[in-house]
Amino acid sequence: DAGVTQSPTHLIKTRGQQVTLRCSPISGHKSVSWYQQVLGQGPQFIFQYYEKEERGRGNFPDRFSARQFPNYSSELNVNALLLGDSALYLCASSLGQDNSPLHFGNGTRLTVT
Amino acid sequence: GQQLNQSPQSMFIQEGEDVSMNCTSSSIFNTWLWYKQDPGEGPVLLIALYKAGELTSNGRLTAQFGITRKDSFLNISASIPSDVGIYFCAGHTNSGYALNFGKGTSLLVTP
Repeated sequence: DAGVTQSPTHLIKTRGQQVTLRCSPISGHKSVSWYQQVLGQGPQFIFQYYEKEERGRGNFPDRFSARQFPNYSSELNVNALLLGDSALYLCASSLGQDNSPLHFGNGTRLTVT
Repeated sequence: GQQLNQSPQSMFIQEGEDVSMNCTSSSIFNTWLWYKQDPGEGPVLLIALYKAGELTSNGRLTAQFGITRKDSFLNISASIPSDVGIYFCAGHTNSGYALNFGKGTSLLVTP
């Protein structure tokens, strides 16, 4: 069975640009979460979506937005990119019940220059 | 998010040795999860714990959910070179759906 798939794997953008990252969850999983991981740190929560509704949001500015589609795939959008947005962006899927374990994709490595 | 204190920060051991790492928090957690991350990849779930006092094994790995619900440990027995990587503890509190992560323990195993 396919795991969580993310695209693209790597991306280079310039300050001020916008970026869209994509995620397909494990088949049967209805919840998708997004995390940001900077070098040397653990992942930090950005968003969680369940059945197309935002269920939680971390401490990130409004430049970050996301959505979930009827097929449970998801997109993360970041506007007005800053150098500090350079990180590994991880998508995780879960069944959606409270506290069900997250299964992560291999992430998108975003570099902002 | 809630801060998780993970220790040690790094470990350098010989193949065959046992390893122990732990995670503590000032807040009560409802779940404790342990993940391993290899370079260039996402975290892979090793063990999930759901009840205070729960002790769970996965092959050479054993993890426990502390009775106070504020800590957890992970043990690896008879380490092998492929155990190299960064191990993260993570958990859910009552206050939301976010999974809170520690800063990781970097494990190096020499043959």
